[in-house]
Amino acid sequence: EAQVTQNPRYLITVTGKKLTVTCSQNMNHEYMSWYRQDPGLGLRQIYYSMNVEVTDKGDVPEGYKVSRKEKRNFPLILESPSPNQTSLYFCASSLAGAAYEQYFGPGTRLTVT
Amino acid sequence: EDKVVQSPLSLVVHEGDTVTLNCSYEVTNFRSLLWYKQEKKAPTFLFMLTSSGIEKKSGRLSSILDKKELSSILNITATQTGDSAIYLCALSYNAGNMLTFGGGTRLMVKP
Repeated sequence: EAQVTQNPRYLITVTGKKLTVTCSQNMNHEYMSWYRQDPGLGLRQIYYSMNVEVTDKGDVPEGYKVSRKEKRNFPLILESPSPNQTSLYFCASSLAGAAYEQYFGPGTRLTVT
Repeated sequence: EDKVVQSPLSLVVHEGDTVTLNCSYEVTNFRSLLWYKQEKKAPTFLFMLTSSGIEKKSGRLSSILDKKELSSILNITATQTGDSAIYLCALSYNAGNMLTFGGGTRLMVKP
């Protein structure tokens, strides 16, 4: 089954404690992206990657890091989480140049206290 | 500043009603405008529109881009309770690699 998986699905953590949210896809997609969703703000793009070792900033990259060492994985790293990073996070993937038809993961709900 | 603005923020209708959702934007150099439906989980793709102005249809849903008005509308006819969701529009630019979403319209369809 074609899918995008994220782990963990839910996470409560404290300010300053480094965390990683994993994202993996099994469709051999070149393009992967991370979004955060906050009430009334829709989805905002954090980072995206067009292929292995190629990443670029989206609209709200501050406080986040990503890496793309393998085609299937695109982890999101919060080196020092803060309460304003409490949000619902989505990972997505698609074929190159077809970001409009992205497959979204199930989401990770992160709470930073 | 908001590049993509959706209206209304929320809408409550009864089954069988027709609704029109709006998406306005400020950016002009974009590749396409996209509509998504989000229920209790991740967004699912509905339509992609370009400046050609061609209307897209899928069953009871239809959408069109008005290049002069810098806006797009999503119409849903004969609404059903299953249409209840958040509807998101987004602009695709930078060769399609970047998406900027609007804040969404929350639609509730009552029986």
